[in-house]
Amino acid sequence: NAGVTQTPKFQVLKTGQSMTLQCAQDMNHNSMYWYRQDPGMGLRLIYYSASEGTTDKGEVPNGYNVSRLNKREFSLRLESAAPSQTSVYFCASSEVRGQGHGYTFGSGTRLTVV
Amino acid sequence: SQQGEEDPQALSIQEGENATMNCSYKTSINNLQWYRQNSGRGLVHLILIRSNEREKHSGRLRVTLDTSKKSSSLLITASRAADTASYFCATDAIVAADSWGKLQFGAGTQVVVTP
Repeated sequence: NAGVTQTPKFQVLKTGQSMTLQCAQDMNHNSMYWYRQDPGMGLRLIYYSASEGTTDKGEVPNGYNVSRLNKREFSLRLESAAPSQTSVYFCASSEVRGQGHGYTFGSGTRLTVV
Repeated sequence: SQQGEEDPQALSIQEGENATMNCSYKTSINNLQWYRQNSGRGLVHLILIRSNEREKHSGRLRVTLDTSKKSSSLLITASRAADTASYFCATDAIVAADSWGKLQFGAGTQVVVTP
């Protein structure tokens, strides 16, 4: 089925470890986004990519890096994980920025940092 | 800080009743969107209403937008147990020329529909 695929679904890291969250979409969308969801906080934007080859910071970028590998794939990297990064991470994509299209979300990665 | 804030935080109703939740936001917007999230799943886009629209319908969903009050409401009519989920409003705020398409989400309303 068409959509946004995130891997892994679950991950436990030790403080200081690094990892990359993968995201791929097969809808030919131009824009892609990474959000984190914490209890009572809604979703907060970490990074986004308006189009292939561009990335920009969102509301909470500290401690993260991203790569827009191609039009389909947008990865999120934690270089040195901290307990404050324990969260559920969602990747999303949308058709065209500024045209008022809804986002398509992946099913999320539940990350625990101990 | 959050752009959109939903009210109430939680809502419990019986099947067949209507569910209404509200969203208030702070700055001018291009559009406002509503999403549903079932427990442990990703968000699903329900409906988008543009800043020049006042009301939209989609099946059992009715969304209103009052830009003068910076508020929106989502009405689910004849609710079903399957409507049990969290509902989020998200705003596409006019911040700058390059700000289009970056949604800001509220904390959500948890809706429980009991048979």
